[in-house]
Amino acid sequence: GAGVSQSPSNKVTEKGKDVELRCDPISGHTALYWYRQSLGQGLEFLIYFQGNSAPDKSGLPSDRFSAERTGGSVSTLTIQRTQQEDSAVYLCASRSTSWYEQFFGPGTRLTVL
Amino acid sequence: GDSVTQMEGPVTLSEEAFLTINCTYTATGYPSLFWYVQYPGEGLQLLLKATKADDKGSNKGFEATYRKETTSFHLEKGSVQVSDSAVYFCALISGAGSYQLTFGKGTKLSVIP
Repeated sequence: GAGVSQSPSNKVTEKGKDVELRCDPISGHTALYWYRQSLGQGLEFLIYFQGNSAPDKSGLPSDRFSAERTGGSVSTLTIQRTQQEDSAVYLCASRSTSWYEQFFGPGTRLTVL
Repeated sequence: GDSVTQMEGPVTLSEEAFLTINCTYTATGYPSLFWYVQYPGEGLQLLLKATKADDKGSNKGFEATYRKETTSFHLEKGSVQVSDSAVYFCALISGAGSYQLTFGKGTKLSVIP
């Protein structure tokens, strides 16, 4: 079946612009995660959605970052007023409620000039 | 907080050599432990897992044993192949809640013929 998909695969933007990154989880997976992979920090948790519960936003690095998940499926991560330190690969993962295994998408590589 | 420490890379081995990548962790309670692999140009994939002390996870010739007394989960393979060249991440999930993954920094393995 289809895996987790993310778009765009690459995004180049100018400092100060807003960007939106999209994630389509595996159908039926109720849990969705965003992570960031950068050279300096490795892989970091950003935010978690589970069904209709309030998201766990504890990993978001600043209030310029936000995310939403519409209809319990597609999720969008928004970064406002991008900074050069936001350059990273943003990974999305989903899992079912019955097990811990998270399935990762291919990521979106964000470059802020 | 939770943390994972794994050996720094890069690691370069000849084909058929023995591989060990060390991983130690700090966590509250009794975490579940994972090794993820990222092949060049691909997304993160679960390689193996162990959910309780003394469990051995295994897959594709790789093994790792959950050692509670030494808080370790070292990855081993008896005979590496060129196709094993990838970045390997040790990770954990502790307790309940969001079941977010806490990752080590990753170890890049290159296997030469």
